[in-house]
Amino acid sequence: EAGVTQSPTHLIKTRGQQATLRCSPISGHTSVYWYQQALGLGLQFLLWYDEGEERNRGNFPPRFSGRQFPNYSSELNVNALELEDSALYLCASSPTGRHNYGYTFGSGTRLTVV
Amino acid sequence: QQQVKQSPQSLIVQKGGISIINCAYENTAFDYFPWYQQFPGKGPALLIAIRPDVSEKKEGRFTISFNKSAKQFSLHIMDSQPGDSATYFCAASSKAAGNKLTFGGGTRVLVKP
Repeated sequence: EAGVTQSPTHLIKTRGQQATLRCSPISGHTSVYWYQQALGLGLQFLLWYDEGEERNRGNFPPRFSGRQFPNYSSELNVNALELEDSALYLCASSPTGRHNYGYTFGSGTRLTVV
Repeated sequence: QQQVKQSPQSLIVQKGGISIINCAYENTAFDYFPWYQQFPGKGPALLIAIRPDVSEKKEGRFTISFNKSAKQFSLHIMDSQPGDSATYFCAASSKAAGNKLTFGGGTRVLVKP
């Protein structure tokens, strides 16, 4: 069974630009979660998508947004990039709405803003 | 109330020793407590998880102990091996919290041969 796949692996952007990160969940999983792992700040919840809808959002500014496609893959967009957005962005998936199932994480996209 | 506090931040243990990592939470609505293991350059991987209706769960060399009244839970790694050197995260979630996992700050474990 293929795991959660994320692309690209690495991304370098200039401050003020936009970044688009992509995630494909495990087959059969309909929930996709996005987390930011910045150095020294642990894993911070960004967004939860399920069945194509945004279900929950973490404490991040509106320039962090995303969507989920009919095939349950997901995209995270970060607009007006700031230096402090440099981090590892992790996507995870789980079966529909199961908070007590346990996520499966991808290996992440390392975003560097210069 | 969503915070999960994890200690210690780092831990060095000799091969064959026991690694113990502790977490404390505040939100009594949390009802699922997983532990994740993360190696450099990789995403976190689910190691073991517990629900509050049990006080202990063991899987191989990994054991979770759960104390509901104290709102604390811990991970014990028995017979620690160099391959266990990684960062470990505790987490907690509840349906009321919108399915999100709230993570502890992580513990970097180094097992010396």
